[in-house]
Amino acid sequence: QLQLQESGPGLVKPSETLSLTCTVSGGSISSSSYYWGWIRQPPGKGLEYIGIVYYTGSTYYNPSLKSRVTFSVDTSKNQFSLKVSSVTAADTAVYYCARLLSDSSKWDWGQGTLVTVSS
Amino acid sequence: QTVVTQEPSFSVSPGGTVTLTCGLSSASVSTNNYPCWYQQAPGQTPRTLIYSTNTRSSGVPDRFSGSILGNKAALTITGAQADDESDYYCVLFVGSGIWVFGGGTKLTVL
Repeated sequence: QLQLQESGPGLVKPSETLSLTCTVSGGSISSSSYYWGWIRQPPGKGLEYIGIVYYTGSTYYNPSLKSRVTFSVDTSKNQFSLKVSSVTAADTAVYYCARLLSDSSKWDWGQGTLVTVSS
Repeated sequence: QTVVTQEPSFSVSPGGTVTLTCGLSSASVSTNNYPCWYQQAPGQTPRTLIYSTNTRSSGVPDRFSGSILGNKAALTITGAQADDESDYYCVLFVGSGIWVFGGGTKLTVL
């Protein structure tokens, strides 16, 4: 059974870089059938798509975040990662990693991790 | 910038039927947008109800259904129950690897 587990610091200082990793179990990140993505939700607000990455390293970013976001994939560890640079309080959110089945909108979600940006 | 629109709030009586909609600011929604619907209770991870317009996710009761109605995607709940009271989000594929979430609908059952 697929499991997605986010990990990383729960507190990041303003202007620094937020880094999260998603560990995939019960499925291979190298599968050609899936994309791997990140979604976030600020406290009390709606969901925001950050982007997706393919196991080959191809990336698709939300245009509103593109200048500050970087994805990477480590197929040897079955993990993918998110970096958001120059963070502000507006980046405080629950960050979810997810798997997207190609040619569909079937998303499988991790449990999410809260990241707070504060000095 | 593409905007996905949802009703901010809706109410339904227990046992009643409600249809929530999901639209695009600049075009009609079609199956090519792969509409997907989530239910989110407070403090919980979103639960997938419907994906690819009308495919029910595993374990979701058949009183939840998805469709295209006119120029929007729609989620219909028939026989509403008290525990259907939640936030509902749609997400649409708008091309070039980009997905856009709607702002969510807060459903009240009373």
